[in-house]
Amino acid sequence: EIVMTQSPATLSVSPGERATLSCRASQSVSSNLAWYQQKPGQATRLLIYGASTRATGIPDRFSGSGSGTDFTLTISSLQSEDFAVYYCQQYNKWPRTFGPGTKVDIK
Amino acid sequence: EVQLLESGGGLVQPGGSLRLSCAASGFTFSSYGMSWVRQAPGKGLVWVSGITYSGGSTYYADSVKGRFTISRDNSKNTLYLQMNSLRAEDTAVYYCAKDLSSGSYGIFDSWGQGTLVTVSS
Repeated sequence: EIVMTQSPATLSVSPGERATLSCRASQSVSSNLAWYQQKPGQATRLLIYGASTRATGIPDRFSGSGSGTDFTLTISSLQSEDFAVYYCQQYNKWPRTFGPGTKVDIK
Repeated sequence: EVQLLESGGGLVQPGGSLRLSCAASGFTFSSYGMSWVRQAPGKGLVWVSGITYSGGSTYYADSVKGRFTISRDNSKNTLYLQMNSLRAEDTAVYYCAKDLSSGSYGIFDSWGQGTLVTVSS
């Protein structure tokens, strides 16, 4: 199975600052990579798919890049509602696999 | 509006069985692949199982293969997960998730709120 890793585990950022989250796959997943946001008490939300395509309704401060094995999620200017846990996930091969998550908290 | 409502969770003894259901509404259920994803307390998301729109193909994580069975009833707009030979490590909140489009197996654009399964004696 494809193992996904994410770094850092925790990212402390001040509101208005830029956040850069990394995701790496143990083998190439082409551009078949999605990013999700999870907040307590809320349904998990799809942010990005195809490595760089924003899902419906996602603000343009969220952007994704990368292909192959290395990917990045960038939040250009953190808003209060963006403090959450972010997961990357590959859908290139079965079984689908998620990374362990990056928690973005308030500095 | 897409709605996914899981049910069937609860406390079960090791070795026991449980069947989860996910009632779907707000979209043409029979046109989309679906998956189950779980999250142990304080841990990350783990994909468990997926099924194509027709139910013709199913997929499983190695950790549940041979013990869990995913199925769907398109006439009832409902997804199921039959869980047998349950272990303590199966304790988690189980979410059902909808594929983004009919050809995009594994991009999950809608998620339920989850149902908690606790395996303990």
